[in-house]
Amino acid sequence: QLQLQESGPGLVKPSETLSLTCTVSGGSISSSSYYWGWIRQPPGKGLEWIGSIYYSGSTYYNPSLKSRVTISVDTSKNQFSLKLSSVTAADTAVYYCARGSATNNAFDIWGQGTMVTVSS
Amino acid sequence: DIQMTQSPSSLSASVGDRVTITCQASQDISNYLNWYQQKPGKAPKLLIYDASNLETGVPSRFSGSGSGTDFTFTISSLQPEDIATYYCQQYDNLSITFGQGTRLEIK
Repeated sequence: QLQLQESGPGLVKPSETLSLTCTVSGGSISSSSYYWGWIRQPPGKGLEWIGSIYYSGSTYYNPSLKSRVTISVDTSKNQFSLKLSSVTAADTAVYYCARGSATNNAFDIWGQGTMVTVSS
Repeated sequence: DIQMTQSPSSLSASVGDRVTITCQASQDISNYLNWYQQKPGKAPKLLIYDASNLETGVPSRFSGSGSGTDFTFTISSLQPEDIATYYCQQYDNLSITFGQGTRLEIK
């Protein structure tokens, strides 16, 4: 069955760029039925949607993060990626990638999550 | 941006109890409202989509209702394995927002 797996550095320095990749296995990222999203969760806090991308490259972002976020897709590798620039300690969180329905954006399949700490 | 107000923030109930969580949107979102369960250290799990549709494989004791701005999530008979935090999530006009979460504990 379809699985998602996040990968990337677990520690990022303040003011630098956080970069994560989500690898999709057991199915194709090039499906017209789904978007692919990033969601994060600071320690002990709730969920925050970061942004989503369609296989064609169309993106939409959380307005509060839009100026710092870039999400891209590589259909040849069945991957999509997140870049978050100018990070601070407030960006410390578990970062999840997930598959979202193109009709209602219900995230039905999630990666296990990866903890990213912003610290010098 | 659409804001979601979820209540209560925490809830303690006994096994077998009926449990209700509400979510209110700051403007009309039709039925674009989904509910998730998150257990400690785990990724969220989709339970209900489009306000009232049960995701495949989810027990029928879970249900959802509502449309427009007011939504309800119900567990008809609380089981020990239902201990978790529950989140609502809305989608409208290329924007997604989660509620603040409801931590459910066994009394």
